[in-house]
This record gives sequence, structure tokens and C-alpha cells, in this order.
Amino acid sequence: QKEVEQDPGPLSVPEGAIVSLNCTYSNSAFQYFMWYRQYSRKGPELLMYTYSSGNKEDGRFTAQVDKSSKYISLFIRDSQPSDSATYLCAMSVIQGAQKLVFGQGTRLTINP
Amino acid sequence: GAGVSQSPSNKVTEKGKDVELRCDPISGHTALYWYRQSLGQGLEFLIYFQGNSAPDKSGLPSDRFSAERTGGSVSTLTIQRTQQEDSAVYLCASSLSNANTEAFFGQGTRLTVV
Repeated sequence: QKEVEQDPGPLSVPEGAIVSLNCTYSNSAFQYFMWYRQYSRKGPELLMYTYSSGNKEDGRFTAQVDKSSKYISLFIRDSQPSDSATYLCAMSVIQGAQKLVFGQGTRLTINP
Repeated sequence: GAGVSQSPSNKVTEKGKDVELRCDPISGHTALYWYRQSLGQGLEFLIYFQGNSAPDKSGLPSDRFSAERTGGSVSTLTIQRTQQEDSAVYLCASSLSNANTEAFFGQGTRLTVV
């Protein structure tokens, strides 16, 4: 079993829909949680960063962490075609970007 | 520079040859990371540098893999006697320090071993 599980999709939704992306994990020592967006043939770009449990909102994006369930989510409101990308969750036991453990990534397509 | 720069963008090499992949981090970033992204896999950590030293090399898959960083800037990842299973996208990232979780990734080097 992988430390971080993420449904690879693909996920296809109409423009304007609310998108929910999720990851589950098995290592209870993870404290730092991130979501990255990766466009085709590009490097990952950090979208959201959360420490411990709770919610964090940034514009149309909301990240949720439920450490008791070992479950994290990313919500995208009013989705746009430009949101079409692969979304990767990542986690770490320690602060810093060394030894991040990534999910497999979910490929998302927003249809106009 | 404006972002993390990696070269070459693409590399096709014959099995058994050595390859060098280069990463030029964002100016002033002291921490530098190498990750590998294989088809159907997530990103996997290879090695990281704080300055010129590599406190954690635990992700390097075999002794055919090595990396160095000079002048606290450019890093080179070397793969000796390449194998087909080495085919992947090799991503480099940098951050202000190893206590800073926001890392900026380059576009990667797509390595194909034939």
C-alpha cells in the first residue's frame, strides 16, 4: 500500500462546476500538506500549503485537512477551462520540501 | 534567474551510456531538490542539497546515481550506465532554505533510455 493514495482520474466536469479532489494517507506523522498543479510538460506549481488540520481558502481554491481521518481535499469553485491540469497532493513529516511524499495525481479537464 | 532552469529539456540515450542533467536554481535559494516522475507514478524524492552539501541522499535508487552542487548554485545529476527503467522526467526544485516548504520546480528533463 502506498503512503499516499490519490485517484488518478481522469475527471471531467463542465465549466463553472465545483471540483473536489482528494487524497488519503497512512502515515499519521505527516504534518504538512500541499496541493500542486501541473500543466502538461511543465513542472509542478504549488497551489496550497496547510499545516496540521483545518481549512485554508485562497480565491477559488479551498484546502481541507482532516488528520483524524487521514484525508485531505482540494475544492475548486467556479471551475475554468484554464484549471485543466493534473493536481498532485503532497505531504511531509518535516518542514521543508525535502522528502515530500506525492500522490499519483488526478488529471482534471474542465469542459467549456 | 527568473525561475528554475533545467537542461536539456529532452535527452535520448542508449542503454549503458552516462548522462548528466543540469539544474540552475533561483538566485539566492540555498536549498535544491531532485525528484523523479515516472509514468504512472507520483514524484519520488531523490536527493536534496543545503548549500553544497547533501544531507539526504536516501532517495537515490542505486549507486549509478550521483549528484553534486557547486558554488551553492548549479547542480548536476549524473546517471551512469543508464538502464531502461531510468526513463522518467527528472525534476529539480529550489527553495529559500530547507526550512521553507514552498519549492519552485523547473520544467524537468525528460530522459528516454533506448
